[in-house]
Amino acid sequence: EDKVVQSPLSLVVHEGDTVTLNCSYEVTNFRSLLWYKQEKKAPTFLFMLTSSGIEKKSGRLSSILDKKELFSILNITATQTGDSAVYLCAVSDFIQGAQKLVFGQGTRLTINP
Amino acid sequence: DVKVTQSSRYLVKRTGEKVFLECVQDMDHENMFWYRQDPGLGLRLIYFSYDVKMKEKGDIPEGYSVSREKKERFSLILESASTNQTSMYLCASSVTSTGGWEKLFFGSGTQLSVL
Repeated sequence: EDKVVQSPLSLVVHEGDTVTLNCSYEVTNFRSLLWYKQEKKAPTFLFMLTSSGIEKKSGRLSSILDKKELFSILNITATQTGDSAVYLCAVSDFIQGAQKLVFGQGTRLTINP
Repeated sequence: DVKVTQSSRYLVKRTGEKVFLECVQDMDHENMFWYRQDPGLGLRLIYFSYDVKMKEKGDIPEGYSVSREKKERFSLILESASTNQTSMYLCASSVTSTGGWEKLFFGSGTQLSVL
């Protein structure tokens, strides 16, 4: 059975700290791994990773994929209160003739001023 | 910017009622999805559609049906609402390109309570 596991489930840090969120996966036919940020209701796209070892970067956020060890990390440096959100990891798989995204439970990140 | 609009933010229904959740996207995306989100369980796929009048079951289709009569609109139907269908429902759309189909654009969600 496909599985995407995120850790930690919840994290509280102070503004300015650096955080690392983890995502491990077990899927049958991996194609890509995606990170989304969910602040209020609608998740918004952050990164899509398909190749091992290539870091994707956007401002203070960065992410990397390890296809051998089946995990990805999302780093946020110099955190701000606006980074408070649930971060979702999703992995695409090809199951029974259909492509699907399998989501993890999410990591709830709280940044205190 | 892509806009995915869900018709209601909050909905309260009674057990046994037929419930319609509507989703409209304005970017001519061929792929549309319905997920439910529950604490501790993440997003789970209910149904998806790759084209007009086409539908595929996701991981938890029981108790739900869908309709896609027009490309921009994907409706989720709860035939006879039950209390275990109380949840946040998220609609999403995407376009299939050389870069893939996985970059989903989500609506703001509908929090459904079934009493």
